[in-house]
Amino acid sequence: DQQVKQNSPSLSVQEGRISILNCDYTNSMFDYFLWYKKYPAEGPTFLISISSIKDKNEDGRFTVFLNKSAKHLSLHIVPSQPGDSAVYFCAASVNNFNKFYFGSGTKLNVKP
Amino acid sequence: DAGITQSPRHKVTETGTPVTLRCHQTENHRYMYWYRQDPGHGLRLIHYSYGVKDTDKGEVSDGYSVSRSKTEDFLLTLESATSSQTSVYFCAIAAGVEKNIQYFGAGTRLSVL
Repeated sequence: DQQVKQNSPSLSVQEGRISILNCDYTNSMFDYFLWYKKYPAEGPTFLISISSIKDKNEDGRFTVFLNKSAKHLSLHIVPSQPGDSAVYFCAASVNNFNKFYFGSGTKLNVKP
Repeated sequence: DAGITQSPRHKVTETGTPVTLRCHQTENHRYMYWYRQDPGHGLRLIHYSYGVKDTDKGEVSDGYSVSRSKTEDFLLTLESATSSQTSVYFCAIAAGVEKNIQYFGAGTRLSVL
């Protein structure tokens, strides 16, 4: 049973607009959440994270929002650029156990 | 770059043969992980290690074994490869102040014919 879910396999956005990628989780014990970006033939690269004590974390064009009551997090990319085209994975962990659970990924296509 | 090297990068093998994938890290990280990535499933944890000779199973460990005899190397072995083990395999380490961020190798693409 997947504990982290990304229900949108793909998303297409025009360059310069906002990209919103969504992620849901079921385990209320998760206390740390991460987003990774993956290009073809490469390993995933860490993008941004958020602790459960926060509801927002921002890094440049990337912002992650966490809604604990809804068990939902989202990644906003503003403005979107063609180089952002990649597969995005969300992940969650229970900090003390150092195990990470990943969603199935969302493929983002940013059109020029 | 967390100094992670996976070898081989590509491998084609036949059903029933043993296969060992190697993950090598140069920065003395304690936690190491093996994942497989398949379409529609994302990244699924196979095994992980929290120190030399200390390993534990992940969610898809059947058919796989691991060994960690020294800090820098984490080996994943398919004792008798099956076609269902055709996948891309990623090694990762945990780093950061609270070891709560994973960094990944470039992956090994394994085809079992």
